[in-house]
Amino acid sequence: EEQLVESGGGLVQPGRSLRLSCTASGFTFGDYAISWVRQAPGKGLEWIGFIRSKAYGRTTEYAASVKGRFTLSRDDSKYIAYLQMNSLKTEDTAVYYCTYDTSGYNYAFDVWGQGTMVAVSS
Amino acid sequence: DIVMTQSPDSLALSLGERATINCKSSQSVLYSSNNKNYLAWYQQKPGQPPKLLIYWASTRESGVPDRFSGSGSGTDFTLTISSLQAEDVAVYYCQQYYDNLALTFGGGTKVEIK
Repeated sequence: EEQLVESGGGLVQPGRSLRLSCTASGFTFGDYAISWVRQAPGKGLEWIGFIRSKAYGRTTEYAASVKGRFTLSRDDSKYIAYLQMNSLKTEDTAVYYCTYDTSGYNYAFDVWGQGTMVAVSS
Repeated sequence: DIVMTQSPDSLALSLGERATINCKSSQSVLYSSNNKNYLAWYQQKPGQPPKLLIYWASTRESGVPDRFSGSGSGTDFTLTISSLQAEDVAVYYCQQYYDNLALTFGGGTKVEIK
């Protein structure tokens, strides 16, 4: 069974950095793009970016709200995707999910992690 | 970016009633070369991640009850729950993946039992 598990969330001060991890199991991780979606408390879903597979150069795309501050990477040998978050703002407070599409050719996400909470506050 | 607008924000219905949720995109999400609408629907219950219900606007994900159906094309889409059950209480989101460099979600529709 395909599974994603996020970790690394916590309380962090504004302006500081945090790195989230997304550990995969049950599928050939390296063959798939991994996306990140966040959800602020009581709010809707916001896509923040994805990293393509090795076959597509492990290239990345980001939402405008995080571009230049957040960086996606992956270690296919460890089955882990990372979200490096720098210059954090209070509005980055959210549950962060990693997700992917098992068909591999669209971005309708059928596998999600349980999420990890990031709270940005002084 | 393509803006996804859902309506209503919330609805409360009795058990067994039909629920209709609308989603409008600011531009067409129909890809002419394959005649597919790049539109998905998700269900999210409190404390849980979203669950994919529908993709390609009308294809039901495996295991999703057939009381859930998706319809529409171009810019206007509908998620219908034909007979509302207690376990359907949730927030429902639409998402476009036509612009896969900027995926966007609707604001969500909360479904409750009256």
